[in-house]
Amino acid sequence: DTAVSQTPKYLVTQMGNDKSIKCEQNLGHDTMYWYKQDSKKFLKIMFSYNNKELIINETVPNRFSPKSPDKAHLNLHINSLELGDSAVYFCASSQEGTGNEQFFGPGTRLTVL
Amino acid sequence: QKEVEQDPGPLSVPEGAIVSLNCTYSNSAFQYFMWYRQYSRKGPELLMYTYSSGNKEDGRFTAQVDKSSKYISLFIRDSQPSDSATYLCAMTAYSGAGSYQLTFGKGTKLSVIP
Repeated sequence: DTAVSQTPKYLVTQMGNDKSIKCEQNLGHDTMYWYKQDSKKFLKIMFSYNNKELIINETVPNRFSPKSPDKAHLNLHINSLELGDSAVYFCASSQEGTGNEQFFGPGTRLTVL
Repeated sequence: QKEVEQDPGPLSVPEGAIVSLNCTYSNSAFQYFMWYRQYSRKGPELLMYTYSSGNKEDGRFTAQVDKSSKYISLFIRDSQPSDSATYLCAMTAYSGAGSYQLTFGKGTKLSVIP
C-alpha cells in the first residue's frame, strides 16, 4: 500500500547512456514532481506537472524530460548521462491546491560512471 | 543570497534535550512553511506545515513562523534517539497550474545520544 513508489531503487550506468526512472502514486493526486538531491544532500525541484501544465525549473538541462502516461505516473527520462547527474532523484505528489503537503517516494540513487 | 538558509550542523544532543532548528528566508512570496524529516537513504517525510505567523504544536514538535523577520523554527521536546535524522525546512510559493514548488533548506543533521 505504498503511496509513492519509484523504480529502480538503484541505477548504475555509463556516461552517455539514456535511462528512465519510473514513479507511481496511488493517492489520487493531481500534481507530481521530480526533485534532485545532490551529494551535499541539497534537495532541489526539477519539474512539477499536472494534467494541465508542465513547469520546468530553468536550471534543468534539456537532457532531462518528464513523461506522464497518466495521472498516476510521472517518469523521468535522461539522455546522454553525465557524471554530474549522479544523485538521488525523488518523486513526489500532492493534491491540486494543497501543494504544501507533498508526499515523497523512497528515491532512486543514480550513479554515472 | 540563497532563498532559504539553514545551518547544516551536525547537531548532537543528549536524549531528553530540547532541540531548536531554524531557517531564514528572503522571498516574501513564500506562503507555506514546512518541516520535513529525512532518515538516511529514505525519502523526506512531512512533519509539520504552517501558513500564518505564530506557533503550531503537534505532540513533541512545535513549528514557529515569524513572517516579519522571515524566520522559522522547529522545536523538539524530550528528544529521543529515534529523532536522529536530517531535518529540512521547506517553503512554497504558487507556481501556476495547480502546483507549488518547494524550496528546501540544506537540512540540519541531528543526532540524539542515548
